[in-house]
Amino acid sequence: GAGVSQSPSNKVTEKGKDVELRCDPISGHTALYWYRQSLGQGLEFLIYFQGNSAPDKSGLPSDRFSAERTGGSVSTLTIQRTQQEDSAVYLCASSPAVGALNSIQYFGAGTRLSVL
Amino acid sequence: KQEVTQIPAALSVPEGENLVLNCSFTDSAIYNLQWFRQDPGKGLTSLLLIQSSQREQTSGRLNASLDKSSGRSTLYIAASQPGDSATYLCAGGSGGSNYKLTFGKGTLLTVNP
Repeated sequence: GAGVSQSPSNKVTEKGKDVELRCDPISGHTALYWYRQSLGQGLEFLIYFQGNSAPDKSGLPSDRFSAERTGGSVSTLTIQRTQQEDSAVYLCASSPAVGALNSIQYFGAGTRLSVL
Repeated sequence: KQEVTQIPAALSVPEGENLVLNCSFTDSAIYNLQWFRQDPGKGLTSLLLIQSSQREQTSGRLNASLDKSSGRSTLYIAASQPGDSATYLCAGGSGGSNYKLTFGKGTLLTVNP
């Protein structure tokens, strides 16, 4: 079956512009996660969704970052007024459930964002 | 706050060698620990998941162990192959969290033919 799909795979934007990154999770997965991988840094957690609600937004770096999920499926991560430090690979993951001891997170290939 | 460290940062071995990758974490109240593989330009592929009540998991040539008391996990790769070349990441649940993974920075493995 299809895995986690992210689009676009690459995005180049100018400083100050807004961008939207899309994630299509594996069908039936109730949990969805966004992470960011910056050059030289490990992956950092941004936000997670259980269904359409986001119980934990603690990883979002600033109020320029927001995310939503509709229909318990597709999620969009929006970055407003992009800055050069936002340049990174943004990874999305999904899992069948949250709280299960064997809840593996399945990752998409990521969106590489470059802010000029 | 959970912190995850991976040593070494890079490792180069000849084909056929057995090797061990190390991962340490600061919060022993870990929910589970996962090992991932990341190939250049691609996402993460889950290799093994060890639940907090388990001590090890095996899949093919891979064996991962978990020692919560010492805050360590190891990934053992037997009879390494050039196709094993990738970055290996370990990740654990943050203290009290069953969803938020804290990742190490990874070990870049190169297996030379």
